[in-house]
Amino acid sequence: GESVGLHLPTLSVQEGDNSIINCAYSNSASDYFIWYKQESGKGPQFIIDIRSNMDKRQGQRVTVLLNKTVKHLSLQIAATQPGDSAVYFCAENEDDGGATNKLIFGTGTLLAVQP
Amino acid sequence: KAGVTQTPRYLIKTRGQQVTLSCSPISGHRSVSWYQQTPGQGLQFLFEYFSETQRNKGNFPGRFSGRQFSNSRSEMNVSTLELGDSALYLCASSLTGDHQETQYFGPGTRLLVL
Repeated sequence: GESVGLHLPTLSVQEGDNSIINCAYSNSASDYFIWYKQESGKGPQFIIDIRSNMDKRQGQRVTVLLNKTVKHLSLQIAATQPGDSAVYFCAENEDDGGATNKLIFGTGTLLAVQP
Repeated sequence: KAGVTQTPRYLIKTRGQQVTLSCSPISGHRSVSWYQQTPGQGLQFLFEYFSETQRNKGNFPGRFSGRQFSNSRSEMNVSTLELGDSALYLCASSLTGDHQETQYFGPGTRLLVL
């Protein structure tokens, strides 16, 4: 089936810089997208989500951008801190008309913040 | 409000055995989903339960099964364990399981099959 494509890169940034993590998705029917952060030994932690009727959503130090034309999602983290070091996953979900709560995850990006 | 809890946190089994994992959702959440996480396949959806009914199932063999109780707690069972079943099993809960609801994850159960 279709899946969110996220080749696993490692993004290394300096503390205080801004980070941008990208994600390409393939299912044009997806209308809900979500970013999770996973630290070693823990489960994924919700960061921010966005619905397909929006192009941008902001949270605390994070912004998610959605470009439906090219099926691209990005997560921007402002003033990156050492505590932001983790693997970041994007995920998508679609309304298939039935009962579905089935997230399709990308492969993840490792964010390494250098002090 | 307490988060999603999973027990046990770690488990070691041998091939051919079976295992049962437990998940308690956030209070008030009625939808529970299970995911398998491996280095090779990433995070993959196993199944979702709502009001004690399985509503959706991922592409996994019948050895993987689950159930949900009236208090929304859920269990998943894997029978006839194989080496490839070694993984982190994650449970997530949401209010009603609507596809645009945030799913909140537990810490996972790390299963090692020897």
